[in-house]
Amino acid sequence: GESVGLHLPTLSVQEGDNSIINCAYSNSASDYFIWYKQESGKGPQFIIDIRSNMDKRQGQRVTVLLNKTVKHLSLQIAATQPGDSAVYFCAETYTGRRALTFGSGTRLQVQP
Amino acid sequence: GAVVSQHPSWVICKSGTSVKIECRSLDFQATTMFWYRQFPKQSLMLMATSNEGSKATYEQGVEKDKFLINHASLTLSTLTVTSAHPEDSSFYICRAARGTSYEQYFGPGTRLTVT
Repeated sequence: GESVGLHLPTLSVQEGDNSIINCAYSNSASDYFIWYKQESGKGPQFIIDIRSNMDKRQGQRVTVLLNKTVKHLSLQIAATQPGDSAVYFCAETYTGRRALTFGSGTRLQVQP
Repeated sequence: GAVVSQHPSWVICKSGTSVKIECRSLDFQATTMFWYRQFPKQSLMLMATSNEGSKATYEQGVEKDKFLINHASLTLSTLTVTSAHPEDSSFYICRAARGTSYEQYFGPGTRLTVT
């Protein structure tokens, strides 16, 4: 079913540190995953995606890791910057379904 | 990248009135549009999926007679909140899908406040 978050967990890091944001998913049929960044009052912004035939994918300063065994997804941000401060959501779907199911989100606060 | 716009970006209305929110794909044809609702400090909840020229498919618990969705063209979908109440106050976000792929783009959202 859809994920509902009543509280947003917060991750606070120092500028320049690496950040790791975690996400657990429940649908074992999910085979496509996306990380989004959402700034206050704006729509989600695509960061990186990964398919279930991979366990790691790298982008610019970001890496997504997928562990299908424990249904866990993580987003690693290298050298975190103040501009990275936002809420981060993971989203999942499966072949044949184009709608996304969103996780509950994590607020990242970067201290200068 | 592709651009999706929403109008209005924010709206305040009185309880009992109806509000229409537009979602436009500006530089591509969106065969499918998704509408999400997001309450403060919460995640995005899928409300409905609409395919151009077809009736929308609503998620469980979403009242189709209250949230009217029209997807009359490949570049425009509208969400009308009928007889709005304060509990309908939320951030409404559309997502437009190009073709049959997973290539999809979010709109900037519309903040609805019902007084």
